[in-house]
Amino acid sequence: DIQMTQSPSTLSASVGDRVTITCRASQSISSWLAWYQQKPGNAPKLLIYKASSLESGVPSRFSGGGSGTEFTLTISSLQPDDFATYYCQQYNSYSISFGQGTKLEIK
Amino acid sequence: QLQLQESGPGLVKPSETLSLTCTVSGGSISSSSSYWAWIRQPPGKGLEWIGTIYYSGSTYYNPSLGSRLTASVDTSKNQFSLKLTSVTAADTAVYYCARYRHYFDSSGYFHNDWYLDLWGRGTLVTVSS
Repeated sequence: DIQMTQSPSTLSASVGDRVTITCRASQSISSWLAWYQQKPGNAPKLLIYKASSLESGVPSRFSGGGSGTEFTLTISSLQPDDFATYYCQQYNSYSISFGQGTKLEIK
Repeated sequence: QLQLQESGPGLVKPSETLSLTCTVSGGSISSSSSYWAWIRQPPGKGLEWIGTIYYSGSTYYNPSLGSRLTASVDTSKNQFSLKLTSVTAADTAVYYCARYRHYFDSSGYFHNDWYLDLWGRGTLVTVSS
């Protein structure tokens, strides 16, 4: 099984900040990585797929990068709507797995 | 526009079987050529893949749950379902159904990607006596 580890677990930031969340895979997954945003009481929402491809309708302040075992999700200028929990997900095969999540809080 | 809706009992007793159904509306479960997933999230915790099913009935299960899990599809009702046997408190979670991204290339060949582009709203299942 491929284990996914996100850091940090919690991130405090202010509106307008640039923030980066890291996701590491226990083995190489090429670029088979997606990022999701989840707000309390809601289902996750797809933001990024194939490590760096922006899902239709997602603001361009979100960007993804990396390949192999290390990946990043960057929000260039935090907006009030961005405070949420973010999950990475590997899809190297049908046996998918998620990171433990990063909660982005208002400082 | 395709929508997913989970349904099932909100409370299940320990050692009993948890049964959930996902109803697909706004499109046909068989003609969409999609693979479908069950994902769960214990209260305050992260996401866990449970299993995957194709409209033809092919399934893939999380090995940690495999022997307790059965997924099925009913194309006549536009639904797919999940049964998890011998439940314990550790199975208490919000259960989501979701769709994997798929597309047809310029030659008309079907491609499936194992990430999730459409989710139901989720349903909380509590295991308690």
